[in-house]
Amino acid sequence: EVQLVESGGGLVQPGRSLKLSCAASGFTFSNYYMAWVRQAPTKGLEWVASITNSGGSTYYRDSVKGRFTISRDNAKSTLYLQMDSLRSEDTATYYCTRIGYSEVMDAWGQGASVTVSS
Amino acid sequence: DIQMTQSPASLSASLEEIVTITCQASQNIGNWLAWYQQKPGKSPQLLIYGTTSLADGVPSRFSGSRSGTQYSLKISRLQVEDIGIYYCQQASSTPWTFGGGTKLELK
Repeated sequence: EVQLVESGGGLVQPGRSLKLSCAASGFTFSNYYMAWVRQAPTKGLEWVASITNSGGSTYYRDSVKGRFTISRDNAKSTLYLQMDSLRSEDTATYYCTRIGYSEVMDAWGQGASVTVSS
Repeated sequence: DIQMTQSPASLSASLEEIVTITCQASQNIGNWLAWYQQKPGKSPQLLIYGTTSLADGVPSRFSGSRSGTQYSLKISRLQVEDIGIYYCQQASSTPWTFGGGTKLELK
């Protein structure tokens, strides 16, 4: 069974940093692109960042470029999202997702809640 | 960025009714279109990819179609377990973008 388990969420002050982790199991992690998608409270879904299976290429939405870093450790089957210079508008549930055929998100974690507030 | 305009924003329907949700892409995305279902308090789940292909385990009452840059999700006979919010997503180019969602409720 495919499982994605996020951790590392919490309450953080504006301007500070937070690092999310996503432990993957049930599939060969190193074969898949991965992504982070977020959902602000009572809002819709927003793609944040993606990474190729090797980690050699990364992609970001403009609003997080230069502040967030997506990375992965294939030996540990773990995906990361380093979030720096956090803003109130980054407050959301962050989902770890697997990118499957046709570049769609075919598996989702349970989400990690991030609240940016003073 | 490619805009995905989803309608309606909310929908109330009866059991066994046919339900249709649409998504209009702001430019050509070919068949790079997916639909997701998010049940209350849960993570989204993939329903349809490549415009028309059902994800594993998705009931056959769900179907997807396309007419030009307009995409549709159809539920042929609404069931209780279909209640939730539905999102379309274009995977043609980054930034991948989602529609605003359609909240489906029981009448």
